[in-house]
Amino acid sequence: LAKTTQPISMDSYEGQEVNITCSHNNIATNDYITWYQQFPSQGPRFIIQGYKTKVTNEVASLFIPADRKSSTLSLPRVSLSDTAVYYCPVYGNNRLAFGKGNQVVVIP
Amino acid sequence: EAGVAQSPRYKIIEKRQSVAFWCNPISGHATLYWYQQILGQGPKLLIQFQNNGVVDDSQLPKDRFSAERLKGVDSTLKIQPAKLEDSAVYLCASSLTDYTHYEQYFGPGTRLTVT
Repeated sequence: LAKTTQPISMDSYEGQEVNITCSHNNIATNDYITWYQQFPSQGPRFIIQGYKTKVTNEVASLFIPADRKSSTLSLPRVSLSDTAVYYCPVYGNNRLAFGKGNQVVVIP
Repeated sequence: EAGVAQSPRYKIIEKRQSVAFWCNPISGHATLYWYQQILGQGPKLLIQFQNNGVVDDSQLPKDRFSAERLKGVDSTLKIQPAKLEDSAVYLCASSLTDYTHYEQYFGPGTRLTVT
């Protein structure tokens, strides 16, 4: 299973675009990249998934370079309610492998 | 639509006691997962069911943990006997189809404290 590495934490100001990075150096050919958001006392919530290039939905954009060894989740114009832990588990072998996540704090 | 339901939300037990957690997945979701999340860590998969059959239990400590999903809907996870290191949040999740297993819906979890 691919292991993911993320910065432990980051701060951002309200209204800014936030780019959250993830490294998954040993991702396998058939693995998918997913991103989840977790608020305190709640289970993780699916945000977006992709295989390569760029994927966009109503919440976020996901950028994946050609070598697929990293990915970047972009959140446009964050608000205070976007303060959460963000995970980038790789989906492979019928399993999501979560790392420690990135605590994102949005500052007023 | 209703989300994944779990109970209880909190449980405190002494070491060597037993405990059980219950999960009701989203209606129509064939795949059910149990995860363990230790404070400061990401969720770790314990067991995965497809309908009422076990797909993956390679990370389940089978000497003390057991899980069942008898009718392919609700599921229970049991710990007997509990150890201090079992203190964690136990999350249940479900997913809809074989092609969307990467999109899992999580319940609120049960926070277990073993003293």
